Amino acid sequence: AQTVTQSQPEMSVQEAETVTLSCTYDTSESNYYLFWYKQPPSRQMILVIRQEAYKQQNATENRFSVNFQKAAKSFSLKISDSQLGDTAMYFCAFMKHYGGATNKLIFGTGTLLAVQP
Amino acid sequence: EAGVAQSPRYKIIEKRQSVAFWCNPISGHATLYWYQQILGQGPKLLIQFQNNGVVDDSQLPKDRFSAERLKGVDSTLKIQPAKLEDSAVYLCASSLVGQGTYEQYFGPGTRLTVT
Repeated sequence: AQTVTQSQPEMSVQEAETVTLSCTYDTSESNYYLFWYKQPPSRQMILVIRQEAYKQQNATENRFSVNFQKAAKSFSLKISDSQLGDTAMYFCAFMKHYGGATNKLIFGTGTLLAVQP
Repeated sequence: EAGVAQSPRYKIIEKRQSVAFWCNPISGHATLYWYQQILGQGPKLLIQFQNNGVVDDSQLPKDRFSAERLKGVDSTLKIQPAKLEDSAVYLCASSLVGQGTYEQYFGPGTRLTVT
């Protein structure tokens, strides 16, 4: 069975600074996806960034980037130039890859990020 | 495009009562998921539908939870009878089916409080 671990329950960062959220996972699968989802207070969950396990290059989406270390089963999220709107719960998630179909997400317990003005 | 719709947004019931949640996925999305998010935890899949067939319900407590997806569109999740430990946010998500598809789109959730 797959597991996802987020060891930082809460983090705080000053506006405009950089913060890194940690995630480790355990799986015997070779083909899978990893995701970071953002859940703002009282708002719905949205996808921040994804990484395909077969790709060595780390994914980047504007101010968000990941450090994917497949051998170490580590998948951290770096947020650059933090903004007040980045305040949210961040979930790391794993998905097995089955050809042409999506599958269930397995989530970590989340990291609550507070961006301070 | 319209997002995933859920109702009600909030529900308070007493234990042993029944409750139902409704979800309308994004138009054209064949796959629909129900997740349970207990306070302080990440969401956990309860059931996954593809069109109107069940793909995975291995973590659904079938003695009290049931779900259906009639005509492969809207879905209803029911709890009968509710227990205190069912207090959680129930999230509905949907996704496309096809090569290269992976993103799940989430609704706003229904927050259930069982007293």
